[in-house]
Amino acid sequence: DTAVSQTPKYLVTQMGNDKSIKCEQNLGHDTMYWYKQDSKKFLKIMFSYNNKELIINETVPNRFSPKSPDKAHLNLHINSLELGDSAVYFCASSWRDTEAFFGQGTRLTVV
Amino acid sequence: GIQVEQSPPDLILQEGANSTLRCNFSDSVNNLQWFHQNPWGQLINLFYIPSGTKQNGRLSATTVATERYSLLYISSSQTTDSGVYFCAVLDQTGANNLFFGTGTRLTVIP
Repeated sequence: DTAVSQTPKYLVTQMGNDKSIKCEQNLGHDTMYWYKQDSKKFLKIMFSYNNKELIINETVPNRFSPKSPDKAHLNLHINSLELGDSAVYFCASSWRDTEAFFGQGTRLTVV
Repeated sequence: GIQVEQSPPDLILQEGANSTLRCNFSDSVNNLQWFHQNPWGQLINLFYIPSGTKQNGRLSATTVATERYSLLYISSSQTTDSGVYFCAVLDQTGANNLFFGTGTRLTVIP
């Protein structure tokens, strides 16, 4: 009965590869997000998406792209991975601007 | 974007002690949440508190939106309270993005 679930929990990959992280929420929320947590624990928004609008943080490289097959899913695709992409990525969801709930995170390591 | 500052950055407590964590934000907000990131990296929702005071067991929180700050109180701390506490705010631009503070790292020693 996990509310927001991400897969995989750990991802180790080589530079230059393309990878995806999946996210699903069963809360009936209308908005989903991707956040990046760097090595200093700072959490920063990457994308927010509802069924009408995608808002992209301008600092996110265009190698990162969110894809939403339906309202309950927001997957993160990353092309041409770089060492600096290593971080923990969190998916989250909310109903409009109310309380947000986070997944357990995906630790991405690029070698 | 909105600036969110948390203090103190680090805090070490003896088990059983009380503490107050502070979150200051630079602009009006629609939403404020407190999270606990446990040693396994999970972000646990503690409070959704745009204004007022709430209590949940040994934890309570107060947000004074007009003065742009929120406080998280931890009483009778336990070793399981260790981790990083984040405050996050939603600004009023309508983008629905939470802006996180830099966190307070709490260590409770037995």
